[in-house]
Amino acid sequence: GENVEQHPSTLSVQEGDSAVIKCTYSDSASNYFPWYKQELGKRPQLIIDIRSNVGEKKDQRIAVTLNKTAKHFSLHITETQPEDSAVYFCASYSQGGSEKLVFGKGMKLTVNP
Amino acid sequence: SQTIHQWPATLVQPVGSPLSLECTVEGTSNPNLYWYRQAAGRGLQLLFYSVGIGQISSEVPQNLSASRPQDRQFILSSKKLLLSDSGFYLCAWSVRGRGNYGYTFGSGTRLTVV
Repeated sequence: GENVEQHPSTLSVQEGDSAVIKCTYSDSASNYFPWYKQELGKRPQLIIDIRSNVGEKKDQRIAVTLNKTAKHFSLHITETQPEDSAVYFCASYSQGGSEKLVFGKGMKLTVNP
Repeated sequence: SQTIHQWPATLVQPVGSPLSLECTVEGTSNPNLYWYRQAAGRGLQLLFYSVGIGQISSEVPQNLSASRPQDRQFILSSKKLLLSDSGFYLCAWSVRGRGNYGYTFGSGTRLTVV
């Protein structure tokens, strides 16, 4: 079945720096890649997603890139702020497979003021 | 608009007691439904998912069970809780057949087994 690897598991940056989270997937049929942000004690919330027919997508300070050949995708956060501190999960979905997302193990981002 | 309700928000239960967590979705029909567990500081572990009434797929063998008695209702149960059942339980839904629109999670139940 599909496997999603996420790294690093923790990242600490200074406010204003950029942060990058990388994920790899194994199923070449995967075609949808969402990213979730989970603040402490709260539910994961979708922050951005990308489909397999797109290489990059931006939404203000966050962007996601997808390299289908290499089977990896990344989340980029620029001008980080303390409120960006959270756990970030990547996930992949395979069209035609079981109807479920496969999640990475998450990355804890700490933005120091 | 669609909403997902999950209750209770917190629960403290003794070892060996039963468990019932409920999740309901409003504003949509035929959703896919999911139960996840998250141990402290850990990732999302898929426990069960359902693509229809009475259709339950189990991802991890353990002393938990799930049921879907109605289209928009998903219940997580246990007959006898273990200490290891402690965690943050999250229900989620997605559009059936179109999971590539992502999940919406409920607000979660924090279960502590003592």
